[in-house]
Amino acid sequence: ETGVTQSPTHLIKTRGQQVTLRCSSQSGHNTVSWYQQALGQGPQFIFQYYREEENGRGNFPPRFSGLQFPNYSSELNVNALELDDSALYLCASSLGGGDTEAFFGQGTRLTVV
Amino acid sequence: AQTVTQSQPEMSVQEAETVTLSCTYDTSENNYYLFWYKQPPSRQMILVIRQEAYKQQNATENRFSVNFQKAAKSFSLKISDSQLGDTAMYFCAFPEGSQGNLIFGKGTKLSVKP
Repeated sequence: ETGVTQSPTHLIKTRGQQVTLRCSSQSGHNTVSWYQQALGQGPQFIFQYYREEENGRGNFPPRFSGLQFPNYSSELNVNALELDDSALYLCASSLGGGDTEAFFGQGTRLTVV
Repeated sequence: AQTVTQSQPEMSVQEAETVTLSCTYDTSENNYYLFWYKQPPSRQMILVIRQEAYKQQNATENRFSVNFQKAAKSFSLKISDSQLGDTAMYFCAFPEGSQGNLIFGKGTKLSVKP
């Protein structure tokens, strides 16, 4: 089991609402990345935070936003939820860079109804 | 843009047998890493094995090994002596750019049968 924890584990929201997902990174890791995994698909990169700054973003609209705190934990916020936002949201922490292992949390299953 | 393709949506193997999962990728980079991740029903993604592109020797981790063909941009995973606990989704992943955010394939669902 990795040291990355996500909360909540499951969540049901109504279309149009806003949601905040949380992630505690592994000790010593300064980089957190968020991924969206639709049912039956591979994870897709949403964005990455490095030392409290956004450090890269995938092809997701601005209603997906995030924060990283001084202790390197992170939040993913999604506004104006749509049905297609229903997915597993994964957080991964690492030391950054393309050669380091990413440690994943167990994910938050978001259902939008 | 980099892409990762896994052409086998599902595979099954008998316990103790060997199975190979395929992955191809496309990149213009010369030095990079490749990863295989396992996602069991518990949903937590776990690194299985990592390959450095500049190393000609294929990576090995216990029962897991890769066949890395750089020119062909192929990166297959071989699981020997399959165990019931190997049942999971397996994803091939490529880290993009200096940030290292991962590009994943669509995955292969592996079932190990007793």
